[in-house]
Amino acid sequence: TQLLEQSPQFLSIQEGENLTVYCNSSSVFSSLQWYRQEPGEGPVLLVTVVTGGEVKKLKRLTFQFGDARKDSSLHITAAQPGDTGLYLCAGGSQGNLIFGKGTKLSVKP
Amino acid sequence: GAGVSQSPSNKVTEKGKDVELRCDPISGHTALYWYRQSLGQGLEFLIYFQGNSAPDKSGLPSDRFSAERTGGSVSTLTIQRTQQEDSAVYLCASSLAGISNEQFFGPGTRLTVL
Repeated sequence: TQLLEQSPQFLSIQEGENLTVYCNSSSVFSSLQWYRQEPGEGPVLLVTVVTGGEVKKLKRLTFQFGDARKDSSLHITAAQPGDTGLYLCAGGSQGNLIFGKGTKLSVKP
Repeated sequence: GAGVSQSPSNKVTEKGKDVELRCDPISGHTALYWYRQSLGQGLEFLIYFQGNSAPDKSGLPSDRFSAERTGGSVSTLTIQRTQQEDSAVYLCASSLAGISNEQFFGPGTRLTVL
């Protein structure tokens, strides 16, 4: 069974701080996606990474796919209250898209 | 609007009753997915429709759960003889093609079984 483990499960920081959240698996994925979900809404895709070692930047967010395509990280620089939400990683392979349990981020002003 | 819509937004039912949850995907999206999200948990895959192919039902937790997709568009998730452990948010998503494409999610239906 393919599993994606995300850490930390919860993270509470002050505005302006930097943070990194992780998504790890013992399985290889053909692609990995990061979503952000706000309360009462469905997840919204932030990025898809497909190549081992790939780094993508989205404003203050930097996403990295591990060389072996088993893990990924999301780094946020100078976090803002608007970054608050549940960050989910999802791995694609043959068949299903498998989601991790998410990291719940709270950024306090 | 042009996004994925789901109805109802909230559903409260009594244990043992049947419920139907509806999903209207984005027009032209050939793939449709149902997920379940329990409090504090990630998304649990339930079922996946792709075009006219037989659906992937491998995530359905029991035979009380079933889903249909009529005319390649609207989908209905049915839960028979609901149990308290069925309480969760049920999310629907659609995409242009297969698993690797961006999935667009609806706002979900929050199901509470008393």
